[in-house]
Amino acid sequence: NAGVMQNPRHLVRRRGQEARLRCSPMKGHSHVYWYRQLPEEGLKFMVYLQKENIIDESGMPKERFSAEFPKEGPSILRIQQVVRGDSAAYFCASSPRGRAFDEQFFGPGTRLTVL
Amino acid sequence: GIQVEQSPPDLILQEGANSTLRCNFSDSVNNLQWFHQNPWGQLINLFYIPSGTKQNGRLSATTVATERYSLLYISSSQTTDSGVYFCAVGGGGGYNKLIFGAGTRLAVHP
Repeated sequence: NAGVMQNPRHLVRRRGQEARLRCSPMKGHSHVYWYRQLPEEGLKFMVYLQKENIIDESGMPKERFSAEFPKEGPSILRIQQVVRGDSAAYFCASSPRGRAFDEQFFGPGTRLTVL
Repeated sequence: GIQVEQSPPDLILQEGANSTLRCNFSDSVNNLQWFHQNPWGQLINLFYIPSGTKQNGRLSATTVATERYSLLYISSSQTTDSGVYFCAVGGGGGYNKLIFGAGTRLAVHP
């Protein structure tokens, strides 16, 4: 999993603020996946993106959450008007292509705490 | 969707003991990965093993895709092996989103 960068590693927000989480995939990877881990639970898929395209957002909450992966720069997961239930670890993974059998490499995660 | 079940949910070992963790999945998959989440929350790739057997030091894994299960073996366990072990499968619906099991929480005592 070396090479996938996430920042910040820890983020504290008050209820109602916005949170922006960034993910830079491994060099040469153009496919990014976001997962959320609620306290004491396993990871759950949120969204799959290619450069400039959202391919599968079936795991994203319908409101307040959005994701992008622009042509230049990192992928960003944005949470508007955060609530205490958004407190979790958010992991980003990348793969070289989006093939069903491609291995995914994970970043260190961003731990979001909502006060 | 695909269901992933891991067993046992909790495991306590003395240092030096061996263990086997199991992952059952409910449908055919194209991808299966094992991860170790250490006590600091970092997720470490252990194996990419949609089928067959692999070994890496004291760890090895076997996936029998036709019978829909995978096993992770830990030999001569050390305290640094403590943490949660996750199995994740993917490949459903043509995309590679991973479905994670609930994990096996391992505590190795000196």
